[in-house]
Amino acid sequence: DVKVTQSSRYLVKRTGEKVFLECVQDMDHENMFWYRQDPGLGLRLIYFSYDVKMKEKGDIPEGYSVSREKKERFSLILESASTNQTSMYLCASKFSPASGSGSYEQYFGPGTRLTVT
Amino acid sequence: QQQVKQSPQSLIVQKGGISIINCAYENTAFDYFPWYQQFPGKGPALLIAIRPDVSEKKEGRFTISFNKSAKQFSLHIMDSQPGDSATYFCAASSYNFNKFYFGSGTKLNVKP
Repeated sequence: DVKVTQSSRYLVKRTGEKVFLECVQDMDHENMFWYRQDPGLGLRLIYFSYDVKMKEKGDIPEGYSVSREKKERFSLILESASTNQTSMYLCASKFSPASGSGSYEQYFGPGTRLTVT
Repeated sequence: QQQVKQSPQSLIVQKGGISIINCAYENTAFDYFPWYQQFPGKGPALLIAIRPDVSEKKEGRFTISFNKSAKQFSLHIMDSQPGDSATYFCAASSYNFNKFYFGSGTKLNVKP
């Protein structure tokens, strides 16, 4: 079974703090993603990475950065947390098209509910 | 521009009834259409998916109907149960794409 784990289920931070959210997958997937989920807005892509040290901006990258130093680990960083970043954050992973795996599927972690006060 | 549009936003169905959620897409390059089920406090989990070479796929009480010419697909939940109460997301992608495009989600409430 594919496993995507996230470092925290719940997190409470203060405005202005630097926040790190970590994600680890155990399926040797090339692609990893960070989404935020808000009521009525669905899932919005923040950043994704298609290889170690490689990243691309998603639809809402402002206020966020990412780091991928190892294939299995993808970190989301809030440089200076703000109240409008209070949300559910979801990590996901999948094989890259270039891997030749034939697999389309994307697997999600359990999510981190972040509250910024 | 929203690549995948989903409706309704919320749905209330009586136990035993049929739940229907609809999605429409724009990009004809999409060739993979999954549905995800998400329970409160959990991440989305793949429920069922279809490729455009078939018009219907059934797994237990869950069926995807796919209309390539109309660029629409829908999820039907037969004999809906209270345990089906969750948020459902449709999505679209292609094998050659790195990304998925998600609908905005439908919150289903099945009343006992």
